[in-house]
Amino acid sequence: DTGVSQDPRHKITKRGQNVTFRCDPISEHNRLYWYRQTLGQGPEFLTYFQNEAQLEKSRLLSDRFSAERPKGSFSTLEIQRTEQGDSAMYLCASSRIGQGGAEAFFGQGTRLTVV
Amino acid sequence: SQKIEQNSEALNIQEGKTATLTCNYTNYSPAYLQWYRQDPGRGPVFLLLIRENEKEKRKERLKVTFDTTLKQSLFHITASQPADSATYLCAPLGEGSGGSYIPTFGRGTSLIVHP
Repeated sequence: DTGVSQDPRHKITKRGQNVTFRCDPISEHNRLYWYRQTLGQGPEFLTYFQNEAQLEKSRLLSDRFSAERPKGSFSTLEIQRTEQGDSAMYLCASSRIGQGGAEAFFGQGTRLTVV
Repeated sequence: SQKIEQNSEALNIQEGKTATLTCNYTNYSPAYLQWYRQDPGRGPVFLLLIRENEKEKRKERLKVTFDTTLKQSLFHITASQPADSATYLCAPLGEGSGGSYIPTFGRGTSLIVHP
């Protein structure tokens, strides 16, 4: 257990539905990252927060994807109007800032299946 | 655009031998490079960090090298064990917008250690 928790662990949804995932980072970590991982590929960066500010969101896959981190604590990733191509593992990670190259601690991920 | 290449084919070795995994990157100059281990269905776990001014880093049976001229990192596991079987991911960290240093991953190399 890395201390980063994600909920739910698994989600099956019908195409066209909206889904929301939650990530609780390690409490003293300022940074929070979201990644998507498909089979046989490495984690693909989506967005990140430094405290409550979302500093990079150009890599979000489409305007159907959005993320929030209210008050710099937990974060949510929402996918609207899901498509079958959204089926993947969604990973959250957190780290400290102020330390160059600080290691990222990952959660167990949320596996999304769109049917 | 930035590109990270890791051997896509699985590496099969016998127990006790040294495993060597390769990470090549192009079109940027990372200040740090991280290696992670990922087991099936789980999030990546940090193993080692090496800085651009370091040639080599060791931790127990692990050794990482970083050649900024060749734009390559090598990851070695000595005296390999079946428990080392996993996917290994490299993540160069460059100074993105605002000094972000976001871990950006290769696709990973699967290592299989046979008893």
